[in-house]
Amino acid sequence: GQQVMQIPQYQHVQEGEDFTTYCNSSTTLSNIQWYKQRPGGHPVFLIQLVKSGEVKKQKRLTFQFGEAKKNSSLHITATQTTDVGTYFCAGPGSGGSNYKLTFGKGTLLTVNP
Amino acid sequence: KAGVTQTPRYLIKTRGQQVTLSCSPISGHRSVSWYQQTPGQGLQFLFEYFSETQRNKGNFPGRFSGRQFSNSRSEMNVSTLELGDSALYLCASSLGEAPSGANVLTFGAGSRLTVL
Repeated sequence: GQQVMQIPQYQHVQEGEDFTTYCNSSTTLSNIQWYKQRPGGHPVFLIQLVKSGEVKKQKRLTFQFGEAKKNSSLHITATQTTDVGTYFCAGPGSGGSNYKLTFGKGTLLTVNP
Repeated sequence: KAGVTQTPRYLIKTRGQQVTLSCSPISGHRSVSWYQQTPGQGLQFLFEYFSETQRNKGNFPGRFSGRQFSNSRSEMNVSTLELGDSALYLCASSLGEAPSGANVLTFGAGSRLTVL
């Protein structure tokens, strides 16, 4: 079945440093979504990428969708303590699994102030 | 507007018992998905319902079941609980009418189940 892999599993940075998490799918995706889960919270939608090679920015966050639509990345510039949490990528299945969103295991980001 | 509401938020059960969790989606959302979250396995897809029909099911044993009512509210049931069923069960709603993945999920706060 479809697999979505994320690396690294954990990342600890000093406040002000940059952070990047990578997501790879075993299958071509029609789109990819990113979610953030704060400690003790629930996943919250950040963004959706649809087009091959798409790049979107949200303030200090930059999201990219690969040309082959099988990989994606999230880059945070100058991390802040508010960025702490687990970042998940998620992609839909294909065919009969269209409505199943498969999540990567996430990257836990901790920030040392 | 109100978000996704899950009840109960916390519960403790013993092995062999059964449990029913409830989810009320955002008004107007017709799709409800359920996920199991554990530290080791991350977010594992259980099933998705749209207009009272299960469209997709994850790789969980038959002890895990769900249903959706005509008002889009959903329940999931786990029978014959095992220690390994201890997890955060998350419900997420979406419009459900667009093609695959175009539906953004809005998650509830989850139901944390502890099996002793």
